[in-house]
Amino acid sequence: QKEVEQDPGPLSVPEGAIVSLNCTYSNSAFQYFMWYRQYSRKGPELLMYTYSSGNKEDGRFTAQVDKSSKYISLFIRDSQPSDSATYLCAMSGMDSNYQLIWGAGTKLIIKP
Amino acid sequence: DAGVIQSPRHEVTEMGQEVTLRCKPISGHNSLFWYRQTMMRGLELLIYFNNNVPIDDSGMPEDRFSAKMPNASFSTLKIQPSEPRDSAVYFCASSGTVGKGYGYTFGSGTRLTVV
Repeated sequence: QKEVEQDPGPLSVPEGAIVSLNCTYSNSAFQYFMWYRQYSRKGPELLMYTYSSGNKEDGRFTAQVDKSSKYISLFIRDSQPSDSATYLCAMSGMDSNYQLIWGAGTKLIIKP
Repeated sequence: DAGVIQSPRHEVTEMGQEVTLRCKPISGHNSLFWYRQTMMRGLELLIYFNNNVPIDDSGMPEDRFSAKMPNASFSTLKIQPSEPRDSAVYFCASSGTVGKGYGYTFGSGTRLTVV
């Protein structure tokens, strides 16, 4: 079993829909939780970052962490075609927190 | 800020040849990472430098791979000899926050094909 599980998709939704992307993990020591967005032929870029539990909102994006369930989510409201990309979750613990454990990435397609 | 700059963008080489990938991190960033991305294995950390010193090279797959960081503005990843299974996209990333798991800035990657 992988430390971080993420459905690779693809997930295809119509423009304007609310998108929910998720990751589950097994290591209870993880404290930092990140979402990266990767466009085709580009490197990943940090989208959202959360420390420990709770919610964080940034414009149309909301990141949620539920440590009791070992489950993290990224919600995208009013999705746009420009949101079409692969979304990768990543997480790390306190001891070697330069070492990110990555999900496989979910490919998201927003249809105009 | 030009971001993390990698060269070349694409590299096609024959099995057995030496390949050198180059990276210029963001000025002022003191952490540098080399990653490899494949469909099968996703993103894998190869090596981590802090203040130009290799801290963790446990992800380097074998002795054919080597990495150097002679100064704060330049790093190389070398594969010698190259094999078809080395075909992947290689990313360099830098961070100004030492030892933290967030705030990495990735380059656009080098797509390596070994035939």
